[in-house]
Amino acid sequence: DIQITQSPSSLSASVGDRVTITCRASQTILSYLHWYQQKPGKAPNLLVSMASRLQNGVPSRFTASGSGRDFTFTISSLQLEDFATYYCEQSYSTPRTFGHGTRVEIK
Amino acid sequence: EVHLVESGGGLVQPGRSLRLSCEASGFTFDDFAMHWVRQAPGKGLEWVAGISWKGANIDYADSVKGRFTISRDNSRNSLYLQMNSLRPNDTALYYCAKDTRSLPDGGLSNWGQGTLVTVSS
Repeated sequence: DIQITQSPSSLSASVGDRVTITCRASQTILSYLHWYQQKPGKAPNLLVSMASRLQNGVPSRFTASGSGRDFTFTISSLQLEDFATYYCEQSYSTPRTFGHGTRVEIK
Repeated sequence: EVHLVESGGGLVQPGRSLRLSCEASGFTFDDFAMHWVRQAPGKGLEWVAGISWKGANIDYADSVKGRFTISRDNSRNSLYLQMNSLRPNDTALYYCAKDTRSLPDGGLSNWGQGTLVTVSS
């Protein structure tokens, strides 16, 4: 199975800060990496698919890049509504695997 | 607008069975792969199973292989998960999710609100 190492597991940041989350796969996954946001009591929401494709309606302050094993997700200027848990997920091979999540908290 | 509505969860004893359903609307159901993803209380996301648009490609997480069966009925716009030999560590909120692609290898673009399965004696 492909392991995904997501870091950090949590971070504290202020509104307006730049936030970066990384995911590293245990082997190449080409661009089969997706990013989700989950707020408490809600279902996850797909923000980015295939490593860098921002989904319709997702604000441009969210960006993502990477290929192969290393991937980065960035929020350029954190807003109040961005405080949530973020997950990456690989779909290159089954079983699909998620990172353990990054909880973004208010500083 | 895409809607996914799960049902069938509940409290069940270890070793028993449960069948989850997911009713889809707002898109052409048989154009897309579908998945089940679960989340244990206070924990992260775990992919459970996926099925391609026509049902020819099916895969499972190792933790459920041989016990769970995913299926779909495109005439009813419905996805199912038959869960047998349930264990306490199967306790979770089970989400139905729509893939962005016809094969089950894209991002999960739409999710239901989940149905809670509790396995306990």
